[in-house]
Amino acid sequence: LAKTTQPISMDSYEGQEVNITCSHNNIATNDYITWYQQFPSQGPRFIIQGYKTKVTNEVASLFIPADRKSSTLSLPRVSLSDTAVYYCLVFSGGYNKLIFGAGTRLAVHP
Amino acid sequence: NAGVTQTPKFQVLKTGQSMTLQCAQDMNHEYMSWYRQDPGMGLRLIHYSVGAGITDQGEVPNGYNVSRSTTEDFPLRLLSAAPSQTSVYFCASSYSTSYEQYFGPGTRLTVT
Repeated sequence: LAKTTQPISMDSYEGQEVNITCSHNNIATNDYITWYQQFPSQGPRFIIQGYKTKVTNEVASLFIPADRKSSTLSLPRVSLSDTAVYYCLVFSGGYNKLIFGAGTRLAVHP
Repeated sequence: NAGVTQTPKFQVLKTGQSMTLQCAQDMNHEYMSWYRQDPGMGLRLIHYSVGAGITDQGEVPNGYNVSRSTTEDFPLRLLSAAPSQTSVYFCASSYSTSYEQYFGPGTRLTVT
């Protein structure tokens, strides 16, 4: 299983762009990179997934370099409501391989 | 669609008691799973199911039983509660092996 490493916590201010980087050095060819968001007292919510290069949706962008050993979740112009824990997961199919780490606690300040 | 629903929201048990956490989904998802989340930590997979009548163990299955008699329901049974099972329990569902799982609101369980 490809293990992921991400910062334990980050701080930002409203209106700034936030980039959270995740390291997955032993990612396999079939693995996809997926990010989830979790607010306090709620279940995680899917944000974005990608395989390589760049993926963008209405919530975030995901940048994956050619070697795929890392990925960066980019949140444009964060607001207080973006305060949450963000999980980076590597998923290769096979249902029991969706493993959550400790995630990155993002605190957005006024 | 109600999505994934879980009951109860909160539960307090005494050591040795048994109970069932309920999970239901109305999205016709084949895959369902149970996770537990301890304070300040990520989620750990307890059991999962790839369809009605089929279940398998995750990372931390000891002390828990599951069954899947219908596509919609996936109850989690605690056989003899222990303080180490104090946690927040999340149920999730998804299509096949999709990366996008839908999570329920969670059940906060305290075992004294």
